[in-house]
Amino acid sequence: QVQLEESGPGLVKASQTLSLSCTVSGGSIDTTAYFWNWIRQRPGRGLEWIGNILYSGETLYNPSLKSLPTMSIDTSKNQFSLMLNSVTAADTAVYYCARSDYGVSFDSWGQGLLVIVSS
Amino acid sequence: QSALTQPASVSGSPGQSITISCTGTNSDIGFYNFVSWYQCHPGKAPKLIIYDVSSRPSGISNRFSGSKSGNTASLTISGLHPDDEAHYYCCSYTMSSTAVFGGGTQLTVL
Repeated sequence: QVQLEESGPGLVKASQTLSLSCTVSGGSIDTTAYFWNWIRQRPGRGLEWIGNILYSGETLYNPSLKSLPTMSIDTSKNQFSLMLNSVTAADTAVYYCARSDYGVSFDSWGQGLLVIVSS
Repeated sequence: QSALTQPASVSGSPGQSITISCTGTNSDIGFYNFVSWYQCHPGKAPKLIIYDVSSRPSGISNRFSGSKSGNTASLTISGLHPDDEAHYYCCSYTMSSTAVFGGGTQLTVL
């Protein structure tokens, strides 16, 4: 059974870069079968899809985001990553990594990582 | 892309059935049969309970069912249990190949 685990700093200063990683175990990330996603939940708000990345490095991002994220993938480490530049308090959220298939079936999730952006 | 529209809250008594609606547009729910539903308990990761409009993952109770008509998808939970109390989110694939979630619905089991 595949497992995902987020890692990264829980506190980031405003205007700096938020960098998170997701380590996948129990299955290879180097597959055409799945997309690897980042999803967040800001305090008191719903889930928000940030974007996804394929094994090939091809990415797709949420066009509604105010600042464009950057995602990367390292198949040798079975990891994928998220970077958000110039963060603000509005980027304070629980960040989840998740696996999906061709549609929007996010069938495996990490436990979530709370990131607080401080001023 | 705008978030899908869900009622903020619904409630029901144990044993009853409830339905949560999720309204989108011709560019998302109305365009594809790729709608999923997630159950979220506080402090836990979301759990996939319905995918591709009406399919259930292995291990999910048949008390959970999904459907779609036009631009609106629905989640029905029958025979409510106290542990069904949670937030529920719908999600749809879009014409732009992105994903969009609903605002979430708090289910209270009275």
